Amino acid sequence: AQRVTQPEKLLSVFKGAPVELKCNYSYSGSPELFWYVQYSRQRLQLLLRHISRESIKGFTADLNKGETSFHLKKPFAQEEDSAMYYCALRSGNTPLVFGKGTRLSVIA
Amino acid sequence: DAMVIQNPRYQVTQFGKPVTLSCSQTLNHNVMYWYQQKSSQAPKLLFHYYDKDFNNEADTPDNFQSRRPNTSFCFLDIRSPGLGDAAMYLCATSRVGYQETQYFGPGTRLLVL
Repeated sequence: AQRVTQPEKLLSVFKGAPVELKCNYSYSGSPELFWYVQYSRQRLQLLLRHISRESIKGFTADLNKGETSFHLKKPFAQEEDSAMYYCALRSGNTPLVFGKGTRLSVIA
Repeated sequence: DAMVIQNPRYQVTQFGKPVTLSCSQTLNHNVMYWYQQKSSQAPKLLFHYYDKDFNNEADTPDNFQSRRPNTSFCFLDIRSPGLGDAAMYLCATSRVGYQETQYFGPGTRLLVL
């Protein structure tokens, strides 16, 4: 069965500090991994996907198949990064499976 | 220019009284999804439509039904809401298939009294 684990419910960092939001998954095949973000009073939206290998709003995430991880990173946190972040997995022809989310709080 | 619209944003119903939540989209996407999200939990997929084909998740209670009368609209019907059904209900769409990005609505928060 597919599973996505985000071990931290809440992560607080100071502005300008590096950020790493952890995501681990369990799936034996070749999954597709995503990060979705929900800012305060806004809808859930896609932040990035591993196949794009792009940086969005300074965030990057690398799929590590050996460690079955897809951690989200940003070198310098900004206050506007405060939000709820969800890691999600899809495999084959199946819909997304979400993690429980991590609330990032960036302190000025 | 909202693309996925959910009405109402807040819905209060009574225990056992049927309730319908609505979702509409202006994207002309093929796939529409309904998720249930309880406090501090992951969004949980209830079911989805791929065009007119209905796909129910195995653990979705029978109390939950869905209708998609046309491409633009999709409804979530809860036949006899219980206190445990109080949650945020999210509608999402994707263009063609599961590999496409999902676009979410703002959600409807359901309160069961």
